[in-house]
Amino acid sequence: RKEVEQDPGPFNVPEGATVAFNCTYSNSASQSFFWYRQDCRKEPKLLMSVYSSGNEDGRFTAQLNRASQYISLLIRDSKLSDSATYLCVVNEGDSSYKLIFGSGTRLLVRP
Amino acid sequence: AAGVIQSPRHLIKEKRETATLKCYPIPRHDTVYWYQQGPGQDPQFLISFYEKMQSDKGSIPDRFSAQQFSDYHSELNMSSLELGDSALYFCASSNRDRDYEQYFGPGTRLTVT
Repeated sequence: RKEVEQDPGPFNVPEGATVAFNCTYSNSASQSFFWYRQDCRKEPKLLMSVYSSGNEDGRFTAQLNRASQYISLLIRDSKLSDSATYLCVVNEGDSSYKLIFGSGTRLLVRP
Repeated sequence: AAGVIQSPRHLIKEKRETATLKCYPIPRHDTVYWYQQGPGQDPQFLISFYEKMQSDKGSIPDRFSAQQFSDYHSELNMSSLELGDSALYFCASSNRDRDYEQYFGPGTRLTVT
């Protein structure tokens, strides 16, 4: 079983749609949580950190449920430029800076 | 804003050769991380350095070594290259005051023939 699990998709949605990604992690000692996006053959780019209180950045909202070890990302009003692979990332454990990546969920936004 | 710089961007080597990858972190970042991403794989953590000292070690083969220099740049040295070493190698950097957020460079694509 992978330490960070995501639905691989692809999610194929029209422009303007709202789409939600989910992720679960197995290490209860993990303290830091992130969403990265990765375009084909490019580097992962930090989209947002995820906090217990939930956080929002424009069209993007992230939620964390520590009890269920569950992380989500909501994208509202999808744009063509949102097409990418979205990686759920957690740190390995308490005080560790080693990041563990999920396999990513692919999003395709169509006109 | 300045980003992480990696060189070279592409590298082709033959089996059993050596390779050196370089990474220049974002200014004022004190920690450097190396990741390997094979075709169709997730990035896998190799090794990290904080203030020029090795801080964490992952699935880095014994054939690989790395260090961080006084100007905070880092080099990943790879010897006795194997076909399976063909991958994208990313360097990331962070500042310990910023909640572990790691920023990735564009990567070096290594092809071993």
